[in-house]
Amino acid sequence: GENVEQHPSTLSVQEGDSAVIKCTYSDSASNYFPWYKQELGKGPQLIIDIRSNVGEKKDQRIAVTLNKTAKHFSLHITETQPEDSAVYFCAATTSYNQGGKLIFGQGTELSVKP
Amino acid sequence: NAGVTQTPKFQVLKTGQSMTLQCAQDMNHEYMSWYRQDPGMGLRLIHYSVGAGITDQGEVPNGYNVSRSTTEDFPLRLLSAAPSQTSVYFCASSSQSWTVNEKLFFGSGTQLSVL
Repeated sequence: GENVEQHPSTLSVQEGDSAVIKCTYSDSASNYFPWYKQELGKGPQLIIDIRSNVGEKKDQRIAVTLNKTAKHFSLHITETQPEDSAVYFCAATTSYNQGGKLIFGQGTELSVKP
Repeated sequence: NAGVTQTPKFQVLKTGQSMTLQCAQDMNHEYMSWYRQDPGMGLRLIHYSVGAGITDQGEVPNGYNVSRSTTEDFPLRLLSAAPSQTSVYFCASSSQSWTVNEKLFFGSGTQLSVL
């Protein structure tokens, strides 16, 4: 089955700097890769996702890149702000009709210092 | 629009007790699922359902039961609680049909302690 490894486990940056979180996956058949943000005391919230037929996707200050050959994908946050402080989770899966179950990484706690 | 509602928010049980964690969604989503969150281990799938009357096991199903009698509700039952079940539990739903793992909406969680 799928295994997802996420690094680093904690990340501290200064406001305005960029932050990068990396994930690797094991199942070459995986074709959907979402990123979720979890603020303190709340449930995770989808912030961006990418499919295997796309190499990069951007949404304002957030971008995700995918390298299918190396089986890794990354979240890039530019111009970080204090409100970006949260725990971020990556995940990977194949389609449900292929028997896929969404498997999450271990999480990265991002701290943005003013 | 309430989204995904979980109750209770906090619960303390003694080993061997049973309880039900409630989850309800008002978005008419077909797909619902339960995850547990433990430090350093991310979110792990316990059980999921792709529609009323249909349930299946996830990564860590042992010790948990589910049923799906309506589209709106997806309760999670602990039949005999164990300290290893101390965790934060999240319910999630999705409107996707054939891509049911996608675009999940999560509830705010239930923090469970088993003594």
